[in-house]
Amino acid sequence: EDKVVQSPLSLVVHEGDTVTLNCSYEVTNFRSLLWYKQEKKAPTFLFMLTSSGIEKKSGRLSSILDKKELFSILNITATQTGDSAIYLCAVKTSYDKVIFGPGTSLSVIP
Amino acid sequence: KAGVTQTPRYLIKTRGQQVTLSCSPISGHRSVSWYQQTPGQGLQFLFEYFSETQRNKGNFPGRFSGRQFSNSRSEMNVSTLELGDSALYLCASTEFGLDTDTQYFGPGTRLTVL
Repeated sequence: EDKVVQSPLSLVVHEGDTVTLNCSYEVTNFRSLLWYKQEKKAPTFLFMLTSSGIEKKSGRLSSILDKKELFSILNITATQTGDSAIYLCAVKTSYDKVIFGPGTSLSVIP
Repeated sequence: KAGVTQTPRYLIKTRGQQVTLSCSPISGHRSVSWYQQTPGQGLQFLFEYFSETQRNKGNFPGRFSGRQFSNSRSEMNVSTLELGDSALYLCASTEFGLDTDTQYFGPGTRLTVL
């Protein structure tokens, strides 16, 4: 059965810290991996990754995919309180089926 | 451009009833996906429509159905509602690009089944 696992499930850090969120997957017919940020509303798209080893970057956030080891990481540097959210990882298959992980709840305290 | 809109925003129904939710994608987007989000199960994929055709469906019973119109607006229908159908229903439209597909979510419809 297709599945996406995220770790840690919950994380508390201080402002300025760097965090690494993990996402591993077991799916058939992998097509892409997606990261989202969800605050008290609908998810916001962050990145889509399709190729191994190519880092995607947006400000203080970056992400990379390893298709051999079947995982991705999302890095956030110099964290701010506004980064507090649930970070969701999802995998899309070739048949356009999307499987979400449980999410990592990040709390950034001043 | 206006964002993805969903109506209604809140809905209360009783068991056994049926419900129809509506989603209007961003202008020009032809793909609409539906998701169910609950505290226990997290975010789960329901189905995706592209140019009025359902391209894929998640693991939900046949009570959950949808359709897409020629203007890309989509509706989702749930028949014979059960308590467990209480959830936030999100729709998203996708902009397909060369390097990345970007998905934009609507604010969701909060369905409560009593």
